[in-house]
Order: sequence, then C-alpha cells, then structure tokens
Amino acid sequence: NAGVTQTPKFQVLKTGQSMTLQCAQDMNHEYMSWYRQDPGMGLRLIHYSVGAGITDQGEVPNGYNVSRSTTEDFPLRLLSAAPSQTSVYFCASSYFGETQYFGPGTRLLVL
Amino acid sequence: QQQVKQSPQSLIVQKGGISIINCAYENTAFDYFPWYQQFPGKGPALLIAIRPDVSEKKEGRFTISFNKSAKQFSLHIMDSQPGDSATYFCAAREAGTGNQFYFGTGTSLTVIP
Repeated sequence: NAGVTQTPKFQVLKTGQSMTLQCAQDMNHEYMSWYRQDPGMGLRLIHYSVGAGITDQGEVPNGYNVSRSTTEDFPLRLLSAAPSQTSVYFCASSYFGETQYFGPGTRLLVL
Repeated sequence: QQQVKQSPQSLIVQKGGISIINCAYENTAFDYFPWYQQFPGKGPALLIAIRPDVSEKKEGRFTISFNKSAKQFSLHIMDSQPGDSATYFCAAREAGTGNQFYFGTGTSLTVIP
C-alpha cells in the first residue's frame, strides 16, 4: 500500500493564481481531511469528508474548496491564492475518524 | 481561539530522563485524544491515543495521563532517547462530527545524548 500520497511536494504561486493540491489514499478509508501547518499554530483543519459526496468545513475553510467524488481522492482547490495561504498542507485519512494517516505534505509559497 | 492549549513550546531532556508535555481543553464535547509525533519534513504519525473514560494508557515508553475533571491530559516519555527528538502534537476530536480534530500548537522535544 502507498498509504496517503500528495502532489506536488512543493509549489510556488503568484497572488491570484489558482491551483489544486492532490491527495489520494489506497486504504479504502471513508474519512479524509485537509490541514494546514503554520509555525506556532499547530495543524488547523481546513475541510473534511466522511465519505464520497460528503464534505464539511473545518476551522479555516475560507479561500479553499474541496470535493469528494471517489473514496480514494480528496483534492483541495485554492481559488485565488494569497500570501496568507503560504503554508505546509497535509492530507490525512482514517477508517472511522480515529487513527489518522497523514501524507508527506505539500509546501506552498505564495508570492 | 486555540481549542487545545499545549505546553511547553520546547523541551530539552537528557537521555534517560522523563519528557512531559501537557495539554488542556475546555470543550466537553471532545471524545478522543490522540498524540502525534512529527519528524522534520514528514507528516505527523499517531503515537498513542486515549478516550475520556480511561485515566491512563501506556504503550511501551509512552504514557498518556488523562484528568477529565480538570480537562487536562499529558504525554509522558520514559527513558527518553535521542531518537525521540521530534515535534509532538496533542489533539482532540469533537464528538458527533466524525472527523473534526483540533490540534495543540506543538512541542519541540530535543533529547541530549
């Protein structure tokens, strides 16, 4: 099993550009989440999903969109990138909302 | 507003010593409390977790102590080793949401040989 995979590993964007961060898992987990990690802030939940077709907002959802058309994939879309979205983004999946398996992260720099 | 407060921000311990990291919360709807370990450049990995109906859980050198009335829980690392040097996060899950977790701000642990 590859576990949770994320692409790209690193991305530089200009303010106003859009992009999609990809996340996939091969463990047949129903629950998936997106977090951002900033120095001194810990991990903050952006959006989460409890199954295909079901998504909900977390703590810091503004500026981000998600969709969940399959169990395996949970992409995160930045609609119009801002410097405040410079961060490390982690995707996680879990079987029933307990043990979360995190991906390796995507480092995003918005200029 | 930080839903889970974690301290200390950083910790230096001698090899063989005990590392203690503390977390506190206010939301009584939290029903699951995991601890994660993160090495530089990697994603967090689950270390140990506890539910509020248990006061202590031990796995090897790692122990969670949980005080429901005080709304506090802590991670104890016994016989700390240089390989334990990492950042540790406590977290709490809000019941009924299925997947809404709140994380502490992290503790950077350095174990000196």
